Order: sequence, then C-alpha cells, then structure tokens
Amino acid sequence: GESVGLHLPTLSVQEGDNSIINCAYSNSASDYFIWYKQESGKGPQFIIDIRSNMDKRQGQRVTVLLNKTVKHLSLQIAATQPGDSAVYFCAENMGTNAGKSTFGDGTTLTVKP
Amino acid sequence: NAGVTQTPKFQVLKTGQSMTLQCAQDMNHEYMSWYRQDPGMGLRLIHYSVGAGITDQGEVPNGYNVSRSTTEDFPLRLLSAAPSQTSVYFCASSERKGLEQFFGPGTRLTVL
Repeated sequence: GESVGLHLPTLSVQEGDNSIINCAYSNSASDYFIWYKQESGKGPQFIIDIRSNMDKRQGQRVTVLLNKTVKHLSLQIAATQPGDSAVYFCAENMGTNAGKSTFGDGTTLTVKP
Repeated sequence: NAGVTQTPKFQVLKTGQSMTLQCAQDMNHEYMSWYRQDPGMGLRLIHYSVGAGITDQGEVPNGYNVSRSTTEDFPLRLLSAAPSQTSVYFCASSERKGLEQFFGPGTRLTVL
C-alpha cells in the first residue's frame, strides 16, 4: 500500500544550527502535505502545509520544500531552539476530498544546548 | 475555545471489558477522526466522520465503533478490549476533510 516515510528516525543538532527533516512519499496522487510537531505527552500540532502546485512555502523559522519529481518533502527549521525538540511527522492527503491523512513514522529532533 | 478535548486521559482495562473514549470539539468542524499511536510509530487512522450522521472506516477499524450524532462529539467505543489495543488514542478535527487537523491531548489506554 501507499505510505509516507521519513528518512531518519532521529536527528540531533546544536542550538542555533539549522535542521532539515526529510520525508519520502510514494503516492503520486497525493496533492496536499502537512508537517506536524508532537511534543512529549501531547497531541500533534500543525506546523506548516504545502500543496502540490507549490515547490516551497515559508513560515516563521520554518520552510517546507516539495520535490514532486522524486516524491520528497523536507522541513527546514532555522536557528533551532531547545523548544523545537519534538517528534516531527509528515502527512499526505490524497486530494481535499479524500478525508484521510497518511502519517509517516516520525523523526525525533533533539536540540543540544 | 477549548479546541479538541478528550476524556479520560488514562484508562486501564481488563481483556474483554468495553469502554467509550470521549472526544469533543467546539470549533464547529465538519471533519473528525480517531487515530491510534503505538510506541515509535506514526498515527494510524481508525475511523473518521465528515459530518453528523456520517462515519467511515480508516486503516485499522477492527474492534472499534464510532457514531456522530452531533457536530461536536465523536465517541470511540471499544466493544471487547484486547491487549493489542493498548495504545495512545488521539482524536482530531478539521474545518473540512483534507485540511490540517487539530488534535486532542490523547488518551493512554492499557489493556491487561
């Protein structure tokens, strides 16, 4: 079946450095992608999204890049802070009428002071 | 707004017992869903609803029932709990299907 997967289960960075979290997807019909952040003991929280008609979208300290040719998604976090330590999930939706999101397994980001 | 609320936060059941996990949202969202999250894994969709009176199965629906009698509430029922249902359960809602979801704080369920 189709799945969304993340390249690395864990990522450790120094405070102040930039972080890049990667995600590969296999369903070429997916047209909407979302990054979520999950802190320990809490539910996932929306960070940023991107539609398949875009290659890049920027938010506050975060940028999402979409490469449809190789079915790859990345989340870049600028000037990583200790509060960014969490598990990050990418999710894909197969059209706004699909009603279902498929989540990857997550990448655990640890920020060292 | 309280957002998405879930009760209880923690629950321990014995095999064969039944229970209902409660979920409510006060954002007038059309779409609601239930996920389970097992250690070190992503979220797997159990059931979802696109509006009051309409529900559908997700990826792992066996052993669970749902109903959506109102826009606000979307309870998840475990009919006969099994140890394989030990997990953290998250309820989520979105304005309509296909958009970003708002998640509740989760219910941690242990089945002995």
